[in-house]
Parts: sequence; C-alpha cells; structure tokens
Amino acid sequence: AQSVTQLDSQVPVFEEAPVELRCNYSSSVSVYLFWYVQYPNQGLQLLLKYLSGSTLVKGINGFEAEFNKSQTSFHLRKPSVHISDTAEYFCAVSETYGGSQGNLIFGKGTKLSVKP
Amino acid sequence: DAGVIQSPRHEVTEMGQEVTLRCKPISGHDYLFWYRQTMMRGLELLIYFNNNVPIDDSGMPEDRFSAKMPNASFSTLKIQPSEPRDSAVYFCASSFRTGTYNEQFFGPGTRLTVL
Repeated sequence: AQSVTQLDSQVPVFEEAPVELRCNYSSSVSVYLFWYVQYPNQGLQLLLKYLSGSTLVKGINGFEAEFNKSQTSFHLRKPSVHISDTAEYFCAVSETYGGSQGNLIFGKGTKLSVKP
Repeated sequence: DAGVIQSPRHEVTEMGQEVTLRCKPISGHDYLFWYRQTMMRGLELLIYFNNNVPIDDSGMPEDRFSAKMPNASFSTLKIQPSEPRDSAVYFCASSFRTGTYNEQFFGPGTRLTVL
C-alpha cells in the first residue's frame, strides 16, 4: 500500500523568502508524484508532476520539486514566495501500473502562510 | 471548457435528511472520482468510475453513502440518512487516461454541513 507523509502541517514564511515543503512517500511499486495547490474555497489545481526522466521538475508559479528515489522524497521549493502563494499544498502519489493505477493517494497537506 | 462543475457549492441540512451532491465532469473524460476532505482525515478517495462503471468503492464509509453515474456527463453522491460526522467538503474530479497516466481535474467542491 502507498502512503504519503507531509512533515509540516503549517509553514509560515515572510514574503520574498525561500520555502521548502517536505513530502515523503512509501510504495512497493514505482510511482508517479504530484503536487497540488488549493487556494481558499477552491478545488485542487495541479502544480507539477514527476512521471519519469529528469528528477528536477518545474511547475507553475515558479515552483519546482526534486524526486529523490533513495530517500523516497519529493520536496517542493520556491526561491522567493509571494503573498499570493498563501494556500494549502498537497503531495500525492499514484502507482505506475496495477489495478489502482491513476488513483491518487494524498498527504494531509501543508498550509503555507506568506506574511508581508 | 468550463471545467468540472459541482452543485450545490454549499449545503446545510439536518441530521437524518437525504443529501444529494452532483457533478458534471469535463467533456471527453472517462474517469470520475469522488473525494471527501476533512480536517481530521485529509483528502480521502470515496469511489471512482471508469466509463460510467464503478471500479473501486472501498473508500465509501458505509451503506449510507451511494454514488451513481447514469451517463458520461453526470454523477451523484447521495447520503441517506445524513449525520453530523458527514460534514466535510466533497470534491469531484475527472480525468482522461493518456498512456499510463491520468491527470485529475478537480471541481470547486461542495461544502456540506449536517446539523
């Protein structure tokens, strides 16, 4: 069975500072990895994804994430955050094959709060 | 495309009442997912359909919950009777498989409050 752990439930940061949101996963099979963002009172929006190839993936709004297979991590980073990045961020995994292929298993989320 | 459409956006009801949540997926998508989001449990997959057929309903909490997809453009999630612990935000998502990967597109959610 797969699982996703987001180590920080809340991350406060000042505007223009760098930020890293941590995500670790466990799975007995190979996985695809995703980060979704949820702005207040909205649905989830895909931020970026890792399917294969380069372990450093770039997404929308200046975010990037690095897949580390040995550490089973997929941490999200942004070098300089804006007030508008205030949202909840979800890490998710999906098996690359098998009956549940395509299903997303989500972490509990990390609330990023950017302060002026 | 208008994206995934959910209705109502907010629902307040009393314990014991029947609640029906509705979802219109993106046209052309062949997978539809229902999720529930709570503070305690986070995002949980309740059930998903492929080509209108339920594939995995193992996440449905109990018999009070049922979901249907009568055609490719409409799905419902029904709770009967509702209980206060069902209060949550319910999301619908749809996807179209390209190769081995599905990107899920989420609706805005329905915030359900059961008093």
